[in-house]
Amino acid sequence: GENVEQHPSTLSVQEGDSAVIKCTYSDSASNYFPWYKQELGKRPQLIIDIRSNVGEKKDQRIAVTLNKTAKHFSLHITETQPEDSAVYFCAAKINDMRFGAGTRLTVKP
Amino acid sequence: NAGVTQTPKFQVLKTGQSMTLQCAQDMNHNSMYWYRQDPGMGLRLIYYSASEGTTDKGEVPNGYNVSRLNKREFSLRLESAAPSQTSVYFCASSDITVNYGYTFGSGTRLTVV
Repeated sequence: GENVEQHPSTLSVQEGDSAVIKCTYSDSASNYFPWYKQELGKRPQLIIDIRSNVGEKKDQRIAVTLNKTAKHFSLHITETQPEDSAVYFCAAKINDMRFGAGTRLTVKP
Repeated sequence: NAGVTQTPKFQVLKTGQSMTLQCAQDMNHNSMYWYRQDPGMGLRLIYYSASEGTTDKGEVPNGYNVSRLNKREFSLRLESAAPSQTSVYFCASSDITVNYGYTFGSGTRLTVV
């Protein structure tokens, strides 16, 4: 089955800086790559996604890039704010969704 | 519009006891999923149901069974609970005819002692 690896496991940035989280996947048949944000004690919430026929997608301060050849995709958050602090998960989908282990992002005011 | 509803929210079991986690969605989604979440390991797929009447194993199916009761409901059963099944369980649903994104329930925190 699909295997998704996510780095780093923890990330600390100053408010206003950018944050980048990277993921790699193993199965070239994967065609959908979402990113979820999970606050403490809450359910994961979809924040942005990208399909395999698109290289980049942006939504305000967040963007995702996909490199199909290298089988990796990244989440970019610009102008970080304390409320961006959470655990972020990447995932890759063929028939079902497989998730990375998560990145705990801390934004220091 | 409740989305995905899971019950119970919390449960403590003794080793060897059985229980069923319930999940229902009101979005007319075709596909439903059960994940477990453990610290440092992300979300791991237990079972999924691509459509009513079908179920398939995920990454970590051992010790669990599922039932897709109808299009709305997808239950997860632990026949003989073990401490290794202590986890937070999330149900999710999706409809790939609309988009691929999953909607998650609020989770069930299960402790097996």
